[in-house]
Amino acid sequence: DTEVTQTPKHLVMGMTNKKSLKCEQHMGHRAMYWYKQKAKKPPELMFVYSYEKLSINESVPSRFSPECPNSSLLNLHLHALQPEDSALYLCASSQDSSPLHFGNGTRLTVT
Amino acid sequence: RKEVEQDPGPFNVPEGATVAFNCTYSNSASQSFFWYRQDCRKEPKLLMSVYSSGNEDGRFTAQLNRASQYISLLIRDSKLSDSATYLCVVNIYDRGSTLGRLYFGRGTQLTVWP
Repeated sequence: DTEVTQTPKHLVMGMTNKKSLKCEQHMGHRAMYWYKQKAKKPPELMFVYSYEKLSINESVPSRFSPECPNSSLLNLHLHALQPEDSALYLCASSQDSSPLHFGNGTRLTVT
Repeated sequence: RKEVEQDPGPFNVPEGATVAFNCTYSNSASQSFFWYRQDCRKEPKLLMSVYSSGNEDGRFTAQLNRASQYISLLIRDSKLSDSATYLCVVNIYDRGSTLGRLYFGRGTQLTVWP
């Protein structure tokens, strides 16, 4: 069982759709992350929120828009994605220098 | 140059074998180090942190050599359930920040056969 919950588990969307990925943790962690992972590749950092403020954006295209409504929630809004954006999207959280706790991920397919 | 370099394998070993994975990192400012395990189509899960003095958790031993910027993971008495991809992870802190960026190696694939 993971303490970081991601929904949905699977998502299929067209290139003109708007959708959102959701992530929730109740461990009191103040840093939350979005990672993208393609098949047979390591996770790649997209965004980091620290104390609900965006701290790191790894030059992610604007068709990905993160949002942190409160300390427990992290969203990733998707709009006008491309087929090459199909991947496993992982949310993670941590406190200070502790290791990351990952959610189960959302497997996204863009058609 | 990648922040973390890792031999992708695959490593195919029989049950009971001892296997070692290695990883090098390029940024000397790296401050914390981890091994994660990832099963097929699942999320990465923390296997163990890596400390300068070396640390052991059951059949798993992790070593860190800061001078050589090298991390290793040793698995003794391999089990079928050890089959997975093992990811070397390095945490680099921005100057003056308590927030780090985790960089993942590409992962080493291990298959343990009966």
